[in-house]
Amino acid sequence: NAGVTQTPKFQVLKTGQSMTLQCAQDMNHNSMYWYRQDPGMGLRLIYYSASEGTTDKGEVPNGYNVSRLNKREFSLRLESAAPSQTSVYFCASTEINTGELFFGEGSRLTVL
Amino acid sequence: EDKVVQSPLSLVVHEGDTVTLNCSYEVTNFRSLLWYKQEKKAPTFLFMLTSSGIEKKSGRLSSILDKKELFSILNITATQTGDSAIYLCAVEAKGTSYGKLTFGQGTILTVHP
Repeated sequence: NAGVTQTPKFQVLKTGQSMTLQCAQDMNHNSMYWYRQDPGMGLRLIYYSASEGTTDKGEVPNGYNVSRLNKREFSLRLESAAPSQTSVYFCASTEINTGELFFGEGSRLTVL
Repeated sequence: EDKVVQSPLSLVVHEGDTVTLNCSYEVTNFRSLLWYKQEKKAPTFLFMLTSSGIEKKSGRLSSILDKKELFSILNITATQTGDSAIYLCAVEAKGTSYGKLTFGQGTILTVHP
C-alpha cells in the first residue's frame, strides 16, 4: 500500500521550460490537492480536485495548470517555469468529509 | 483572508525537556484545526481539533484548542531526538471543500541528546 506517490522527486529546469508533476494515490480517496512549501511560508494550496472531473484554484494558482486524469491521478503542469516557482511541491489526498490530508513525499523543483 | 501564526519559529531543547508550541489563527467560520509533524519529507497527521477545551492525546503529545481566544497549543513531554521535526498547524473553514487548509509557517523543533 504505497499511499500517495509523486514523480519526479527532484527536477531542475531552465526558465521558460515546461514540466508536469505526477501524483497517484491508491487509497480510493475522492479529493486530491497540490500544495507548495517555501521557507518561512508554510504550505500554500495551488489547486485541488474535490472529486473526479472537477478542479478548482487554491491560494496561489498563477503559472500552473492541473488535470484530474481519473480518481487515482492528479497532475500539476508548469507551462513556462519561472524562478519564483522554485519550491517543494506536495500532492495530498483525503477521504470524504475530513480535512485530514495524506501527503506524498514531495517533489523538489529548482528553476534557474 | 484566513491566517495562522505559529510561535516560536524555532526551538532547541535537550532530551527530556517539555515543550509547548503555539498556534493562533483567524478564520471565517471555523471548522477545524489540525497539527502535522514533518520530518525529512511528507507531513504526517497528528491531531484534529474541532471543539474547544477538549484535549487530544497520543503518547507524549497532546493538544488543546481554545476557540474563544483563537489559539491552540501542542505539548510534547519528555522530548526525544526523534521528536526533532517541523510542526505545522493548519485551519479549515466551513463552507469550503474539506482539505483546503491554511497553514502556519511551522515551528522547527530540534532536540539534542
